[in-house]
Amino acid sequence: SQTIHQWPATLVQPVGSPLSLECTVEGTSNPNLYWYRQAAGRGLQLLFYSVGIGQISSEVPQNLSASRPQDRQFILSSKKLLLSDSGFYLCAWSVGRTGYGYTFGSGTRLTVV
Amino acid sequence: EDQVTQSPEALRLQEGESSSLNCSYTVSGLRGLFWYRQDPGKGPEFLFTLYSAGEEKEKERLKATLTKKESFLHITAPKPEDSATYLCAVQALYGNNRLAFGKGNQVVVIP
Repeated sequence: SQTIHQWPATLVQPVGSPLSLECTVEGTSNPNLYWYRQAAGRGLQLLFYSVGIGQISSEVPQNLSASRPQDRQFILSSKKLLLSDSGFYLCAWSVGRTGYGYTFGSGTRLTVV
Repeated sequence: EDQVTQSPEALRLQEGESSSLNCSYTVSGLRGLFWYRQDPGKGPEFLFTLYSAGEEKEKERLKATLTKKESFLHITAPKPEDSATYLCAVQALYGNNRLAFGKGNQVVVIP
């Protein structure tokens, strides 16, 4: 069966520090991968999506970047965090264009202080 | 641009008091409409997919219905464990595979 792992679960980082959040998927090949941020009252905001290794599309210009070094690995990074980067970050995967929707990870609560 | 609007934003129910959540959408051809449940501090959990108007799906106390413009999530005789935020999303037939999400319906069921 397919599973998605996301870590860490919580993270407190000072302003100006780097960030690396990792997401891995098991049990499927060539998934579409997504990074979302969820802020209170704003719903789910798509940050990046990837349809293959090295292929990254950015939805919102910001202080963050994403990489996909392996088929089932998706990384969200920042060189210097801002206070506004605080939020709940979710990784998700889907397969093709079959209308099966997404499967989400458990999320990372990032607090920038 | 695909849009999803959910109402009410927040709802408090007494245990056993049935109610409905609304998801209104605009999309250029619907591939699927999805309902998720999200508990605080956790990722959304898949509930249902609806593909065409008139379709209905049920799971325990939840029933989802679909028309050409909106979807309803009916909660029958809710229990406190049904307290959660319910998210609605649509996927368009054409273009990329992305889902457009609403802001959610926050439901609290009081014992």
